[in-house]
Amino acid sequence: EAEVAQSPRYKITEKSQAVAFWCDPISGHATLYWYRQILGQGPELLVQFQDESVVDDSQLPKDRFSAERLKGVDSTLKIQPAELGDSAMYLCASTRSTDTQYFGPGTRLTVL
Amino acid sequence: DQQVKQNSPSLSVQEGRISILNCDYTNSMFDYFLWYKKYPAEGPTFLISISSIKDKNEDGRFTVFLNKSAKHLSLHIVPSQPGDSAVYFCAARRVQGAQKLVFGQGTRLTINP
Repeated sequence: EAEVAQSPRYKITEKSQAVAFWCDPISGHATLYWYRQILGQGPELLVQFQDESVVDDSQLPKDRFSAERLKGVDSTLKIQPAELGDSAMYLCASTRSTDTQYFGPGTRLTVL
Repeated sequence: DQQVKQNSPSLSVQEGRISILNCDYTNSMFDYFLWYKKYPAEGPTFLISISSIKDKNEDGRFTVFLNKSAKHLSLHIVPSQPGDSAVYFCAARRVQGAQKLVFGQGTRLTINP
């Protein structure tokens, strides 16, 4: 069964450093999402792509976060500079159209 | 503004009994609802969904009930098994427009042997 791939699985960084996360969606899935899940809360959408275009980035802190999906397939989420409050699980999900969203295993970020 | 709420942070159930997880929503524009299950250090796994045109959807041991007038849905698991121990998230979205999911805070279900 096809899965959403994410790397790295874990990342520890110091405050003010830059970090990047990578996501490879299920083949053929045009829509890709990045969510952030803080411990004890549900995931919250950061950015949604339809192919290579951003559909919704209203909750993305654009002063420090950026996301791209240049060829409409895999995607990168970057944080620069990282802050203590960015410690969270970063989840990528994909879907074909209006179907169910399938999630990857996530990247656990710890900012020291 | 928490549009999707799961008011029980945790639930403990005896193996073999029924587990009932509850979820409330406030946005009447939501018309599709999903339940996800999450184990530690893993991403959420899709469990079951329901459209607003239905009031019940069943898949094996899992049944989701939707009460639109009360803006309430529930997930029933019967019989409960130890492997069901996980955090369960309720999520909602609109079918039209951007299909972003709005999640509840999650309920940690523990099945006791």
